[in-house]
Amino acid sequence: AQSVAQPEDQVNVAEGNPLTVKCTYSVSGNPYLFWYVQYPNRGLQFLLKYITGDNLVKGSYGFEAEFNKSQTSFHLKKPSALVSDSALYFCATRGGGSYIPTFGRGTSLIVHP
Amino acid sequence: EAGVVQSPRYKIIEKKQPVAFWCNPISGHNTLYWYRQNLGQGPELLIRYENEEAVDDSQLPKDRFSAERLKGVDSTLKIQPAELGDSAVYLCASSSGGTLYNEQFFGPGTRLTVL
Repeated sequence: AQSVAQPEDQVNVAEGNPLTVKCTYSVSGNPYLFWYVQYPNRGLQFLLKYITGDNLVKGSYGFEAEFNKSQTSFHLKKPSALVSDSALYFCATRGGGSYIPTFGRGTSLIVHP
Repeated sequence: EAGVVQSPRYKIIEKKQPVAFWCNPISGHNTLYWYRQNLGQGPELLIRYENEEAVDDSQLPKDRFSAERLKGVDSTLKIQPAELGDSAVYLCASSSGGTLYNEQFFGPGTRLTVL
């Protein structure tokens, strides 16, 4: 069975500082990994995905994520955080031949002015 | 391009009452998903449609939940009768194609409160 872990319920960062939101996964075979963002009272919005190839994936709003196969991680990063980045971030995976997406429980990112 | 549309946005009902949620996916998206999201949790898949065919419905509580996607476009998710534990946000999503690596586009969700 596939699973995703987001070890931090909340991440606090000052505006202008780099941010990292952590995600680790467990999937048999090749994983397909996704990051989504959820703003209050809104649905999830796609940020980026890893399919294959370059381990550094660039996405929307200046976000990027690094796929690390040996550590089974797919951490979300941004060089300089904005207050408007404050939201709930979800890591998700598919793999092992299963079309059922598995989501992590989410990490609340709070960017302080 | 219009996004995924869901209605209603909010619903409050008494337990044992029926309730229905409606979803209109992005035009041309043949894959449609219904998720339940409990407070403080990530979305959990209830059912996935490929066109009008329901696949991956193993997590749908079939004793009280039902879903349909007539003509492979709009979809309705129904709960009858509702229980207190059904209070959650019900999300609809769609994607183009049934591949493992297509991202999903989510609607705003329906927040259900069962009293």
